[in-house]
Amino acid sequence: ETGVTQTPRHLVMGMTNKKSLKCEQHLGHNAMYWYKQSAKKPLELMFVYSLEERVENNSVPSRFSPECPNSSHLFLHLHTLQPEDSALYLCASSQDSRSGEKLFFGSGTQLSVL
Amino acid sequence: TQLLEQSPQFLSIQEGENLTVYCNSSSVFSSLQWYRQEPGEGPVLLVTVVTGGEVKKLKRLTFQFGDARKDSSLHITAAQPGDTGLYLCAGAGNTGKLIFGQGTTLQVKP
Repeated sequence: ETGVTQTPRHLVMGMTNKKSLKCEQHLGHNAMYWYKQSAKKPLELMFVYSLEERVENNSVPSRFSPECPNSSHLFLHLHTLQPEDSALYLCASSQDSRSGEKLFFGSGTQLSVL
Repeated sequence: TQLLEQSPQFLSIQEGENLTVYCNSSSVFSSLQWYRQEPGEGPVLLVTVVTGGEVKKLKRLTFQFGDARKDSSLHITAAQPGDTGLYLCAGAGNTGKLIFGQGTTLQVKP
């Protein structure tokens, strides 16, 4: 069983759809993250949760809505997305949310918005 | 704003060749990490360097943190096709966030 599992691996959605990305970590970590990865750009941190509380929200548009029901699960709810939101969305976890912590990433969800 | 610039952005070499990837900034980082991301997968941590001037080796990979902790390099000796992937550096910034470079795509041809 891998440490951080993301589903689905691929998602194609129209701009009016509502979908959710799921992330589950089996490492007993206290912090979970959502990152956006676009071609030729640095990873963009979207949200950070520490012990189920959101501690970081990097000016992400409201069409992205995170949810962390417990320390093992993280969701990213998507609605009325734009084509420029097409990217690889990576979930990660770490022991805690201190700077420089080792991140464990999932395999990502490749999102295409039509 | 702290930034990390990686160079080159893309590198295509033959098996057996040596290469170096650079990660540079004008800012000081308390530590720096290197990740490798294979196609269809998430990044995997290779190493963390903490002390200025530190050198760490991982088989054929040698990582160095600059004396001033503003830059780092990754040197691969006798590259193998299995080394193919996206190499990312990430620095622990003064805002508490991990700052990522834009990555270096390495292709090693058999």
